[in-house]
Amino acid sequence: RKEVEQDPGPFNVPEGATVAFNCTYSNSASQSFFWYRQDCRKEPKLLMSVYSSGNEDGRFTAQLNRASQYISLLIRDSKLSDSATYLCAVNRVNDMRFGAGTRLTVKP
Amino acid sequence: NAGVTQTPKFQVLKTGQSMTLQCAQDMNHNSMYWYRQDPGMGLRLIYYSASEGTTDKGEVPNGYNVSRLNKREFSLRLESAAPSQTSVYFCASSPEGLYQETQYFGPGTRLLVL
Repeated sequence: RKEVEQDPGPFNVPEGATVAFNCTYSNSASQSFFWYRQDCRKEPKLLMSVYSSGNEDGRFTAQLNRASQYISLLIRDSKLSDSATYLCAVNRVNDMRFGAGTRLTVKP
Repeated sequence: NAGVTQTPKFQVLKTGQSMTLQCAQDMNHNSMYWYRQDPGMGLRLIYYSASEGTTDKGEVPNGYNVSRLNKREFSLRLESAAPSQTSVYFCASSPEGLYQETQYFGPGTRLLVL
C-alpha cells in the first residue's frame, strides 16, 4: 500500500463548478502537509500548505484531519486555468512523500 | 534569481551507459533533493542532502549515486543505466530541510534508457 494515496481522477468539471480532492496518508508521524499543482510536462509548484486549523487562499480551501489521516483540497468557482494535476505531499523530516496526483480538467 | 536549474532537459541513453544529471540552486538553500516521477507512482525520493557535505538515501536509491559538490550544486549519477530508470527526474531544494518547509523544484530532466 502506498504511503500517500489519491484518487487519480480524471475529474472533468464545467467552469464555475466546485470540486474536492482527498488524500490519505498512512504514517501517523507525518508532520506537515502540502498541496502542489503540476501542469503538463512541468515541475510541481506549491499551491498551499495545509494547517491543522484549515486554511483558505482565495478560491482554494485546504483541510487536515489528523485523526482520520487525510487532507483535502476544495476548489470553488473553477476556472479553465485550474486544469492541472494536483499532488498532495506529506512530510516527515527530510522525507517528503507525494501522492500520484489527481488530474483535473475544467471545461467551458 | 533562476531558482533551481537542471541540465540536461532531455537525454537518451543506451543500457549500460553512464551519465550525470546536474542541479544548481541560487536561493542559498541548505537542503537539496532528487526525485523521479513515473506515471501512477508519483514523485519518489532518490537521495537527499540535508546540508553541504552530507547525503542520505531516500525511498528508491538503488542504481544511483549523488554528490553535493557545494551548497549550490547537487548531482545525480547513473553508473550503468537500465530501462527501468527511464523517468522524469526532478531536483528540489528547501531552506533548512525541516519538516515544516516546502520544496522548490527544478524544471526536470526527461531520461529515456533504451
